[in-house]
Amino acid sequence: GQNIDQPTEMTATEGAIVQINCTYQTSGFNGLFWYQQHAGEAPTFLSYNVLDGLEEKGRFSSFLSRSKGYSYLLLKELQMKDSASYLCAVRDGDYKLSFGAGTTVTVRA
Amino acid sequence: IAGITQAPTSQILAAGRRMTLRCTQDMRHNAMYWYRQDLGLGLRLIHYSNTAGTTGKGEVPDGYSVSRANTDDFPLTLASAVPSQTSVYFCASSDGTSGGEQFFGPGTRLTVL
Repeated sequence: GQNIDQPTEMTATEGAIVQINCTYQTSGFNGLFWYQQHAGEAPTFLSYNVLDGLEEKGRFSSFLSRSKGYSYLLLKELQMKDSASYLCAVRDGDYKLSFGAGTTVTVRA
Repeated sequence: IAGITQAPTSQILAAGRRMTLRCTQDMRHNAMYWYRQDLGLGLRLIHYSNTAGTTGKGEVPDGYSVSRANTDDFPLTLASAVPSQTSVYFCASSDGTSGGEQFFGPGTRLTVL
């Protein structure tokens, strides 16, 4: 199975940068995903890493180190609409996802 | 239909009753999934199907059953609902490729009294 840890809550100011860390222990690894979920809505896909390194997509970047079982999601130039939960998910060899409990990010003016 | 739809949007159910949550996708994705989301626990996989005609158990399958008669539909049935099944249920699908992300439906909020 998978054991996935991420902080419960983070608060940051509009325009700032926030880094959400995710550590995992896995019996099989086939990629790591980050999802965004606004309150009362469905999760939506943000990023996918399967190789070590940084993937950049606009204001959002995601990093993976497979040897350390570690990933982070970097949110730059924070906007009020970025207030949401961010879910780290690890995919196993059978293509099933295991999710962390999520990190609630609050952006303050 | 665009993407994934779920029905009903919400439901209040008496304990002991049978309930089927519906999920339909129009993306011709091979793989489909059912999750429940509870506060502080995140999304937990209930059942999944890698292709039509096959199903598998996830992390929390007890009390739930699924079927996958065709590519588009993946209903989740609670045979005899219990209060601990009060949750938000999300259906998801993916094309099953190595980089294929899961797309989620809007969710069903179920309350069992």
